[in-house]
Amino acid sequence: ELKVEQNPLFLSMQEGKNYTIYCNYSTTSDRLYWYRQDPGKSLESLFVLLSNGAVKQEGRLMASLDTKARLSTLHITAAVHDLSATYFCAVDLVDSNYQLIWGAGTKLIIKP
Amino acid sequence: NAGVTQTPKFRILKIGQSMTLQCTQDMNHNYMYWYRQDPGMGLKLIYYSVGAGITDKGEVPNGYNVSRSTTEDFPLRLELAAPSQTSVYFCASSYNRMNTEAFFGQGTRLTVV
Repeated sequence: ELKVEQNPLFLSMQEGKNYTIYCNYSTTSDRLYWYRQDPGKSLESLFVLLSNGAVKQEGRLMASLDTKARLSTLHITAAVHDLSATYFCAVDLVDSNYQLIWGAGTKLIIKP
Repeated sequence: NAGVTQTPKFRILKIGQSMTLQCTQDMNHNYMYWYRQDPGMGLKLIYYSVGAGITDKGEVPNGYNVSRSTTEDFPLRLELAAPSQTSVYFCASSYNRMNTEAFFGQGTRLTVV
């Protein structure tokens, strides 16, 4: 069964700290996406990672992709309260018909 | 730009009723998708479309139908609503599959009682 596993599923952290969210997947793919969802809101695209070794950064967030390890990471540097949200990774199934397999999401709470 | 617009935002249905969730995008995207999101879970693809007149099943299509008569509109039809269809539904669109992100609507929270 194709799986995308995120960990942790819940993370409470203090402002100013660093942390990493992990996204492991069980199939071959070189395309992975990170999205953010605020409570009761829609999903917003954060990063599109399209090759092994891809690294992208936006503000305090940095995402990377290791296709050989089937692992993506989302690193948060010096967290601020505004980054509190649920973060999803989604893996593009290369041989499927336009389907993404989504992780369950990591709910991140950043306390002042 | 309005982006992806979904209506309604909330709806309560009784078991056995039917309804249509509307989705419109103004970005001239060829690809459109319907997802459902259950509490604490990732998104599951219900149906998708790669262009006007072309639709196909996703991971969880049972109990739903779609149509794509225009590039802009991609309505989702629920026939004979069941409690298992209680969920939050998201419509999304993208320019193409390769190398691109998807843009999501605000979601429809549906409760079947």
